[in-house]
This record gives sequence, C-alpha cells and structure tokens, in this order.
Amino acid sequence: GENVEQHPSTLSVQEGDSAVIKCTYSDSASNYFPWYKQELGKRPQLIIDIRSNVGEKKDQRIAVTLNKTAKHFSLHITETQPEDSAVYFCAASRGSGYALNFGKGTSLLVTP
Amino acid sequence: EAGVVQSPRYKIIEKKQPVAFWCNPISGHNTLYWYLQNLGQGPELLIRYENEEAVDDSQLPKDRFSAERLKGVDSTLKIQPAELGDSAVYLCASSVGQGGSEAFFGQGTRLTVV
Repeated sequence: GENVEQHPSTLSVQEGDSAVIKCTYSDSASNYFPWYKQELGKRPQLIIDIRSNVGEKKDQRIAVTLNKTAKHFSLHITETQPEDSAVYFCAASRGSGYALNFGKGTSLLVTP
Repeated sequence: EAGVVQSPRYKIIEKKQPVAFWCNPISGHNTLYWYLQNLGQGPELLIRYENEEAVDDSQLPKDRFSAERLKGVDSTLKIQPAELGDSAVYLCASSVGQGGSEAFFGQGTRLTVV
C-alpha cells in the first residue's frame, strides 16, 4: 500500500520567516495530495491540496509544489504568524475509490 | 451548514467493556471514513464506506471492531471488548464523492481505556 513519509517532525521558526515541510510517497498511482492543519484538540482541516496534473498551487501565504517524477511534494508557508502554529499533515490518495494515506505530521511552532 | 458531527467527544471505559461511537456526516456526502489517530501520529484509516457499502475495511481489526452505516447516512463504530491499546482519538470524515476529493473531519471521540 501507499507509504507517506513526512519531514521534519518538528519545526520552529521566527515570526515572519518561511516554513517548509516535505513529504514523499511510494505509490506512483497517487494523484491527489492534500495538506491538513490540526490545532491542539481540534479536527484536521484542509488548508490546500494539489492534483497530479499541476506542479504548483498557491493560496495567499501557502503554496504546495509537487514533483511526480521524484514522488515528493512540499508545503511552503511564507511570512509565518504565531497562529500558524499547529500540526500539519500531508496525505496522498489514488483519487476516486481510495482513501487518504497520511504522514506522521509536523509540529510547527512560530515564535514572536 | 453543519459539519461532520461525532459523539461522544470523550469516553472513559474500563478494559474489556464495549464502547460505541456515532458519526453524522455532512448532508449529501456519500463517502464516510473512520480514522484512528494515536497521540503524535497521523490519522490511519479503519474503514471507508461508499453509501452503505464498506468498500475498504482491510485495516479494521475485525476480531473486536465493527462498524455499520445503515441507510448510507449515519455510522457507528463499535469496539468489544476494548483493550488498553485502543486508547486514541477516533475521527470520522466524509466527502462528496469517492476518495480523492476533500475530506471533512469531525471533532473526534477521545477514548481512554483504563
């Protein structure tokens, strides 16, 4: 089955700096790659996703890049703010008919 | 519009006792998932339903776990008997179509087995 590796497990940045989280996947048939943000004690919430026909997608301070050849994708957060502090999960799916396979998460801490 | 609703939010039981969790997905969402989330880990799929049919239950420990989704709407997940290692957060999620579209999560049920 699909194996999703996520790095780093923890990340601490100063407010205003950028944060990058990287994931690799094993199943070459995966074609949908969402990123979820989970604050302490709350539900995971989708922040951005990308499909395999696109190499990059951006939404304000958040961007995701995908390299299908290398089977890795990354989350980029620019101008980080303390409210960005949370656990971020990447996931991969084959799309229709398959569930999401999650990475182990990255705990991001943005210090003022 | 209400999101995915789960109950109870918290449950503490003694080992060997049964427990059940309930999930009400977003209206119109055909796909329903139950995920298990251990502390410091990502969600792991237990079972996925397309309408009332369980289409992926390969990760569900069937000796003690069972699930149902009658009429293709609400779903229940049951553990009988519970073990200490079952302590975790049980997340329900739903999506409009089959896997590959945005999944919306409920708040989860935090189970503690003592």
